[in-house]
Amino acid sequence: GQQLNQSPQSMFIQEGEDVSMNCTSSSIFNTWLWYKQDPGEGPVLLIALYKAGELTSNGRLTAQFGITRKDSFLNISASIPSDVGIYFCAGQLYGGATNKLIFGTGTLLAVQP
Amino acid sequence: NAGVTQTPKFRILKIGQSMTLQCTQDMNHNYMYWYRQDPGMGLKLIYYSVGAGITDKGEVPNGYNVSRSTTEDFPLRLELAAPSQTSVYFCASSGQRSTDTQYFGPGTRLTVL
Repeated sequence: GQQLNQSPQSMFIQEGEDVSMNCTSSSIFNTWLWYKQDPGEGPVLLIALYKAGELTSNGRLTAQFGITRKDSFLNISASIPSDVGIYFCAGQLYGGATNKLIFGTGTLLAVQP
Repeated sequence: NAGVTQTPKFRILKIGQSMTLQCTQDMNHNYMYWYRQDPGMGLKLIYYSVGAGITDKGEVPNGYNVSRSTTEDFPLRLELAAPSQTSVYFCASSGQRSTDTQYFGPGTRLTVL
């Protein structure tokens, strides 16, 4: 089945460092989404991007919707220990009777205090 | 609002047993979804529903069945459990606009031995 290519697979960083991760696809999407999943929990939406080229921030998080509509990146600035978790990108296709999400494979982030 | 709730949290099944994973949402959302998440992977769509009485297959429907008799409930049924169905199962719901966020439940961890 279709899945997005997300990199890196994992990151081990020191508190205070900046983090960058990205997603690429062979297909175009109408919307790009970034989710965070804490251990034992379901994914929680961090940022949603609706237009090609859009750059959106949410606190220390910044995400961009690629011009080609086939990629997106997420940056986290000045990381803190509670940033630990798995980050997923997701592309959304509209139209038809549903708004299906295609998920990336995830980036595991570990932050050393 | 409780959001999306799932039961049970954990379950161990023997090969060939059947069970139903329960999902309920109290946000009056029309759209509901079932995903599975295998270790180190993103979420894959099993089935979805755009309203009571309407269901359709997602990316990986084999071995599962769903029903949607009410807006609130969207149970997922495994008829003959197989080891390949060992996974974490997430239910989600959303409004029907393309910009509506999907809200996820906490997940059900299923092991088939």
